[in-house]
Amino acid sequence: GEDVEQSLFLSVREGDSSVINCTYTDSSSTYLYWYKQEPGAGLQLLTYIFSNMDMKQDQRLTVLLNKKDKHLSLRIADTQTGDSAIYFCAESIDDYKLSFGAGTTVTVRA
Amino acid sequence: DTGVSQDPRHKITKRGQNVTFRCDPISEHNRLYWYRQTLGQGPEFLTYFQNEAQLEKSRLLSDRFSAERPKGSFSTLEIQRTEQGDSAMYLCASSQRGGVGTAYNEQFFGPGTRLTVL
Repeated sequence: GEDVEQSLFLSVREGDSSVINCTYTDSSSTYLYWYKQEPGAGLQLLTYIFSNMDMKQDQRLTVLLNKKDKHLSLRIADTQTGDSAIYFCAESIDDYKLSFGAGTTVTVRA
Repeated sequence: DTGVSQDPRHKITKRGQNVTFRCDPISEHNRLYWYRQTLGQGPEFLTYFQNEAQLEKSRLLSDRFSAERPKGSFSTLEIQRTEQGDSAMYLCASSQRGGVGTAYNEQFFGPGTRLTVL
């Protein structure tokens, strides 16, 4: 079965970098995703990475993929209070469904 | 298009009652998905449609659950004889699946329907 694991909580000072880690199990996943969920709002896709890539950068976001270890990370540079949310790592399974981790709650303190 | 919409946003019901939720996907999207999210967990896949055909159902979807997507547009998810364990956020998502060789499948999520079973 599929199982995506994430650390549950992260506290970071405003202006510092945040790093959220994730491990996944399905080596056949073609895409891996990071979603953001704010209270009362739906899941918002932040970024994704194709499995044949090692790194992807998108403005303040950097995704690193270690396929050998099935490890994915999301780095947020210059973290702002608006980045406080729950971040979900997800892997694509069988080309249609997403398997999500339990989410990492990021709290940005002033 | 304003994105995926779901109705109602909140539903409180008594155990044993039937409930029905509606999802309106992004209009040009051919795939529609239902997920369930409980407190402190990530969304779990329930079922999905490609156009009007229901192609996959998770083992989480008991016989009390049924989903439809008539005419390949909006979808409904019905739960019969609700139980307290059905209390969760029910999320709908849609995507436009490309042709052969297009593996990227960005799913756009709605705001969810929060179900509370008393």
